[in-house]
Amino acid sequence: EAQVTQNPRYLITVTGKKLTVTCSQNMNHEYMSWYRQDPGLGLRQIYYSMNVEVTDKGDVPEGYKVSRKEKRNFPLILESPSPNQTSLYFCASSTGGPYNEQFFGPGTRLTVL
Amino acid sequence: KQEVTQIPAALSVPEGENLVLNCSFTDSAIYNLQWFRQDPGKGLTSLLLIQSSQREQTSGRLNASLDKSSGRSTLYIAASQPGDSATYLCAGVAGNQFYFGTGTSLTVIP
Repeated sequence: EAQVTQNPRYLITVTGKKLTVTCSQNMNHEYMSWYRQDPGLGLRQIYYSMNVEVTDKGDVPEGYKVSRKEKRNFPLILESPSPNQTSLYFCASSTGGPYNEQFFGPGTRLTVL
Repeated sequence: KQEVTQIPAALSVPEGENLVLNCSFTDSAIYNLQWFRQDPGKGLTSLLLIQSSQREQTSGRLNASLDKSSGRSTLYIAASQPGDSATYLCAGVAGNQFYFGTGTSLTVIP
């Protein structure tokens, strides 16, 4: 089944404890991206990747890191999480760049205490 | 910076009504536009994608149009059903980035 998977789906952590949220797609998509969704603010793009080893900042990259070593994986890294990073995170992918249909993962609910 | 507004923020209609959701961008230089549906606690499901060379797309009871000159898009839902209840989001591409609206929460009353 063609899909985007994220792990974990739910995570409660404490301030400063490094964490990684994984994202994987099995559709051979070139473009992958991360978003956070907050009430009243909608979805905002954190980072995106046009292809392997090519990443760029979105609107809200502060406090996040990404890497794209393989085409199928695009992990989101929070080196030192803070409470203002408590949010719902989504990973998405598409073929040929952002100009085609985006497929979203199920989301990761992160709480930073 | 691109700002995306969706009107109305919430909408409640009786089953069977036709309805229109609106989406507008502050910068009309968007490349394409996609409409999504989001159910509570779930991810986003793509509904319609309007490419830069197109003005509208249709899928079943859904029709979306895009006026690039004004930076506006509408999603038309015909003969609404309770199963249409969800939040509807529009998103536009400018450069290589996506810009999302805050959504319209739709409730269809049986």
